[in-house]
Amino acid sequence: AQSVSQHNHHVILSEAASLELGCNYSYGGTVNLFWYVQYPGQHLQLLLKYFSGDPLVKGIKGFEAEFIKSKFSFNLRKPSVQWSDTAEYFCAVIPYSGGGADGLTFGKGTHLIIQP
Amino acid sequence: EPEVTQTPSHQVTQMGQEVILRCVPISNHLYFYWYRQILGQKVEFLVSFYNNEISEKSEIFDDQFSVERPDGSNFTLKIRSTKLEDSAMYFCASTARGRGDTQYFGPGTRLTVL
Repeated sequence: AQSVSQHNHHVILSEAASLELGCNYSYGGTVNLFWYVQYPGQHLQLLLKYFSGDPLVKGIKGFEAEFIKSKFSFNLRKPSVQWSDTAEYFCAVIPYSGGGADGLTFGKGTHLIIQP
Repeated sequence: EPEVTQTPSHQVTQMGQEVILRCVPISNHLYFYWYRQILGQKVEFLVSFYNNEISEKSEIFDDQFSVERPDGSNFTLKIRSTKLEDSAMYFCASTARGRGDTQYFGPGTRLTVL
């Protein structure tokens, strides 16, 4: 079975600082990878995803993530954070099979606080 | 933009009572999911549903749980006899093409079992 590890559970940054949130997964085969964000009082929203192709993927609100297969990693980055980025960030993985309806495996999440 | 909706937003129940959590997936989606998040813990997959039957379920989804698509729009999760440890946030999600497609999540139902 697959698993996801997010290294930072709480991160506090000042506005304009650069952000990198770590995500590592454990699975022997091909996977699809996701970052979801949950703003205070809102539901989980997709930030970005990787299925295949260019390992550097760009998402909404200036976020990007890089899939490094050899390291089983999918770290989330943003060069300059804003106060509105305060939220909970979840990395998730699902084995790729070309079909089926299996569930996502989530990491524990990173609570990001941006100080003005 | 189409959204997944869930009702109620908060449900309080007594231990041993049955609860039904409701979800309306995005209208053209075919695959449906339930997840839960116990306070302070990770979001955990419960069950997936396609073509009017369960596709996959986790170890959490025991005989106390059941899912149903009673009509063309609703997708429900029933807990037959709630336990204290069932207290959690329950999320519904849906997707058009199944595994590998983006799952769209609802706002969740907070279940409190007393």
